[in-house]
Amino acid sequence: AQSVTQPDIHITVSEGASLELRCNYSYGATPYLFWYVQSPGQGLQLLLKYFSGDTLVQGIKGFEAEFKRSQSSFNLRKPSVHWSDAAEYFCAVGAYSGGGADGLTFGKGTHLIIQP
Amino acid sequence: DADVTQTPRNRITKTGKRIMLECSQTKGHDRMYWYRQDPGLGLRLIYYSFDVKDINKGEISDGYSVSRQAQAKFSLSLESAIPNQTALYFCATSDQAGGIYEQYFGPGTRLTVT
Repeated sequence: AQSVTQPDIHITVSEGASLELRCNYSYGATPYLFWYVQSPGQGLQLLLKYFSGDTLVQGIKGFEAEFKRSQSSFNLRKPSVHWSDAAEYFCAVGAYSGGGADGLTFGKGTHLIIQP
Repeated sequence: DADVTQTPRNRITKTGKRIMLECSQTKGHDRMYWYRQDPGLGLRLIYYSFDVKDINKGEISDGYSVSRQAQAKFSLSLESAIPNQTALYFCATSDQAGGIYEQYFGPGTRLTVT
């Protein structure tokens, strides 16, 4: 079975500083990987996704993520954070059967706090 | 209008009561999912459906049932609610367009079982 680990429960970053959120996955085949963001009281919004091709993926809001197969990682980065980036971030891996998409397996999330 | 809607948005119920959470979508997607979110645990898959005749259990289906009334509607039922089913519930849809799929989430239903 697939699994996702987000090692950092909380991260505090100063506004304007760079950000890296870590994600490690376990999956037997080529993974579909996703990063979602959840703002307080809101649903989940997709930041970016990876299936194949270029291992550096660009997303919305200035985020990017790099897939490293050798490290089973899919870390999320942003060069300069804004106060509006404060939110919960979830990494997820997609599982598939012969019939299609079986649903996502999520990490437990990383809570990002932005200091002024 | 939102593409994925959930009703109710908030619900408080008592132990032992039957409750239904509803999800509707206008995206035309064939796949629909129910997840629950608990603090510190992320989201976990309850049930998913590829079409009205195809229902599958997820990671944590015990205590829940679902009904896919139409392509656009997917309901989650708690036959006899218990306090540890207090959580935030999300419905999601997906469409495997172009070989890569992503899931689109509704706004969530906050359920409290007292």
